[in-house]
Amino acid sequence: EAGVTQFPSHSVIEKGQTVTLRCDPISGHDNLYWYRRVMGKEIKFLLHFVKESKQDESGMPNNRFLAERTGGTYSTLKVQPAELEDSGVYFCASSQEIGGLGVNTEAFFGQGTRLTVV
Amino acid sequence: GNSVTQMEGPVTLSEEAFLTINCTYTATGYPSLFWYVQYPGEGLQLLLKATKADDKGSNKGFEATYRKETTSFHLEKGSVQVSDSAVYFCALSDRTQGGYSTLTFGKGTMLLVSP
Repeated sequence: EAGVTQFPSHSVIEKGQTVTLRCDPISGHDNLYWYRRVMGKEIKFLLHFVKESKQDESGMPNNRFLAERTGGTYSTLKVQPAELEDSGVYFCASSQEIGGLGVNTEAFFGQGTRLTVV
Repeated sequence: GNSVTQMEGPVTLSEEAFLTINCTYTATGYPSLFWYVQYPGEGLQLLLKATKADDKGSNKGFEATYRKETTSFHLEKGSVQVSDSAVYFCALSDRTQGGYSTLTFGKGTMLLVSP
């Protein structure tokens, strides 16, 4: 079974440009999460989809970040325009929970996309 | 809010040495606790977890016990191998308003094991 896959694995862009990151969750997982790790700091929660709906986007840093999950399958995270402080590793994770009872459900992570803004 | 504090790295050990990576947490309610590991070039993998006080999670020779009285979840291994070299993240999971769980991570601790 395929795991969570993320594209690209690494992206280098100039300040002011636009970048779109993609995440394909494990098939059948309703929950999809985006996290970000800035160099030397914690992995921070960005947002959470349940199917195609945004359940929680409290971690999104500002309106330059736009996440979508069309049809409840793959998700994209667009940064426009990118700033230097957006550099970091962006992780996607998916999980399968039933009825909101799943605090113990394992989240499966992708390899991450390393974004470098120069 | 929730937070996780883990020891700064890198931790450098010789093969077969004993490993401890400290982790303490602050949370409202009763979170589940996790250790994730990221091997070079790979994604985050769940190493072990514990869902209630005094539970011990274990996997691949690693252990951690959920200590509510000290709000800790220290990772230990009796004899490390070179292949254990990786970054280790302590994390907790608590419910959000919608009843689903998200993860709060520590900064990560790099472990380097030499032969």
